[in-house]
Amino acid sequence: SQTIHQWPATLVQPVGSPLSLECTVEGTSNPNLYWYRQAAGRGLQLLFYSVGIGQISSEVPQNLSASRPQDRQFILSSKKLLLSDSGFYLCAWEPGSYNEQFFGPGTRLTVL
Amino acid sequence: AQKITQTQPGMFVQEKEAVTLDCTYDTSDPSYGLFWYKQPSSGEMIFLIYQGSYDQQNATEGRYSLNFQKARKSANLVISASQLGDSAMYFCAMRSTGFQKLVFGTGTRLLVSP
Repeated sequence: SQTIHQWPATLVQPVGSPLSLECTVEGTSNPNLYWYRQAAGRGLQLLFYSVGIGQISSEVPQNLSASRPQDRQFILSSKKLLLSDSGFYLCAWEPGSYNEQFFGPGTRLTVL
Repeated sequence: AQKITQTQPGMFVQEKEAVTLDCTYDTSDPSYGLFWYKQPSSGEMIFLIYQGSYDQQNATEGRYSLNFQKARKSANLVISASQLGDSAMYFCAMRSTGFQKLVFGTGTRLLVSP
């Protein structure tokens, strides 16, 4: 069966510090991968998606970036965090031929 | 542009009763899919049910069913025989066939009381 992992689970970072969140998927190959952010009490906002290694599409211009160095690894980064980057970050995957997206456990980021 | 509207910020239901969570959508695409996700307090997003725009019958998954009314552009989630563990946020979402972007509504918080 397929499993999706995210780490860290929680993170507290000062403004201006760098960020690296990691997402890995097990039990599948060539998945589509997604990064979402959820502000407190709000819905999900798509940040980035990837249909293959090195292929990244950005939905929202901001100080975040994403990379896919391996087939089942998706990384969300920032060089300098802003207060507005606080939120709950969710990684999701889907098989190429299906419609449902399956989510990881999420990372709760607080920027102080 | 696609849009999902969930007009109920919160819903209350007693255990063992049925509850309907509303979802309306807006799209000009002829082919699309509709989804419901559950988000407990732990934060994980759990896929519940899917309805394709060309599906003739309403989707069902155990105690979950999707009341799909295409002409009204609504895709309401019906939970039968509510359980305490159903207390969570529920999100409606849609995507056009062939497109990556999944558009979410703002969610409905469901509280199930004993």
